[in-house]
Amino acid sequence: EVQLVESGGGLVQPGRSLRLSCAAAGFTFDNYAMHWVRQGPGKGLEWVSGLSWNGISVGYADSVKGRFTVSRDNAKNSLYLQMNSLRPEDTAFYYCARDRSSGWSPGDFDRWGQGTLVTVSS
Amino acid sequence: QSVLTQPPSASGTPGQRVTISCSGSSSNIGSNTVNWYQQLPGTAPKFLIYSDDRRPSGVPDRFSGSKSGTSASLAISGLQSEDEADYYCAAWDASLNGPVFGGGTKLTVL
Repeated sequence: EVQLVESGGGLVQPGRSLRLSCAAAGFTFDNYAMHWVRQGPGKGLEWVSGLSWNGISVGYADSVKGRFTVSRDNAKNSLYLQMNSLRPEDTAFYYCARDRSSGWSPGDFDRWGQGTLVTVSS
Repeated sequence: QSVLTQPPSASGTPGQRVTISCSGSSSNIGSNTVNWYQQLPGTAPKFLIYSDDRRPSGVPDRFSGSKSGTSASLAISGLQSEDEADYYCAAWDASLNGPVFGGGTKLTVL
C-alpha cells in the first residue's frame, strides 16, 4: 500500500524557516516525481513545487520561488521542503503528492499524504 | 483568484446526475489535459479523473470527465450521499510553467 507521511509542520514566526519532510513507503520511490501542494485554511489547492525522480528537474510556483527549496533523498525514500522567509500567507496544510510519472510536469498527483499544518504568525 | 474557474457550489438529490464545470484558457485547458480531484471532508484530495476522461483504478464509472476547447466538465451519475465533497479541476499552464487548480466546487447531496 502506498503511504506518504508528512512531518515538520508547526507554528513559526514570520521571516523564520521550517523544513518539511515526507516519508514514502509501499512503492519504488525513485521511479516517481514528487510534489508539494498546499491548502490554506478553508481555501483551495495550490501547487507549490515539483521534483523529478532523480532530483534534477525542479519547478516552483511564483509565490514561493526564491524562498522554498525542494529536495529528495532516494536512499531514504524521502522528500523535503525547505521553507525560508516565511510569510503569514504561507499558512496552510502542506501535502506531499506522488506524480503518476517520473517527470514533474504536467503534474498528475495520483497519491497524497494526509498533510502537515504550517502556521506562520507572530 | 484561481486560474481555472469553477462554480463554488453544486447540489443534487440521490440518484441524480450532476455536472461541474471548469473553465480555463488556451494556455492551460485549451492545450493540455485536465485532471479532477475529490476531497472528502477532513481528508486529503484523491485522484479522480486524469487525461480529461480517464479513471484511475478503483474509481467508480459513475464519475466521468470531458473536455471541449478551453472548458472541462466532471459528471457524476447515480449521485450518492458519499459523493458529498469538494471537487477540484487542474491542468498544466504553459504561461505559468506549472500545474494550476480551479477554486473548487462544493457538492452537496440533498
